[in-house]
Amino acid sequence: DAGVTQSPTHLIKTRGQQVTLRCSPKSGHDTVSWYQQALGQGPQFIFQYYEEEERQRGNFPDRFSGHQFPNYSSELNVNALLLGDSALYLCASSLGGNTGTLQETQYFGPGTRLLVL
Amino acid sequence: DAKTTQPPSMDCAEGRAANLPCNHSTISGNEYVYWYRQIHSQGPQYIIHGLKNNETNEMASLIITEDRKSSTLILPHATLRDTAVYYCIVRPHGSGNTGKLIFGQGTTLQVKP
Repeated sequence: DAGVTQSPTHLIKTRGQQVTLRCSPKSGHDTVSWYQQALGQGPQFIFQYYEEEERQRGNFPDRFSGHQFPNYSSELNVNALLLGDSALYLCASSLGGNTGTLQETQYFGPGTRLLVL
Repeated sequence: DAKTTQPPSMDCAEGRAANLPCNHSTISGNEYVYWYRQIHSQGPQYIIHGLKNNETNEMASLIITEDRKSSTLILPHATLRDTAVYYCIVRPHGSGNTGKLIFGQGTTLQVKP
């Protein structure tokens, strides 16, 4: 049973560039959430995708955008990169929808380490 | 802001039980207590969750007080590989809840030989 996978593992960009990170959810999951983790901090929620739509968004600027594909995989795009965007970007998958009785546990991938110079 | 309070760090001797406390005095009736851990530079790993009954799985036990205002994660026989940051999170289940996780600073557990 494949877990959550993310690519690439590491990435170096310069200020002003754009980056795309990718995530494949755990088998059977249909919901993908993205988190940003700065060094020494806990992960911060960016947004969540379900049924190819953004369902909820955290306190992040519009430079952060995403997409979910019909196979439930997802991309995170960041435009006009800033030095402060350097972080570990985490993807988590879960079973979404109206799941009052089902498990909604989020399972995380290994993350993508982004360094902006 | 995180709805939980945890000590910033704890030590535990290898082979002994590690008891990690968490305070969540403002928890609501539909909110579950979740525990994750994060080993250096890896993605958070799910450990266990519960609503009001004590829970146990192959990794740990979760003890929730009767008033649900606090809980304790117990690693029965800590090993060096249990050294990690442990996060206690409360989040709602059910219809209309996206279940985003709000992480605090967590507890850094150092297991020593």
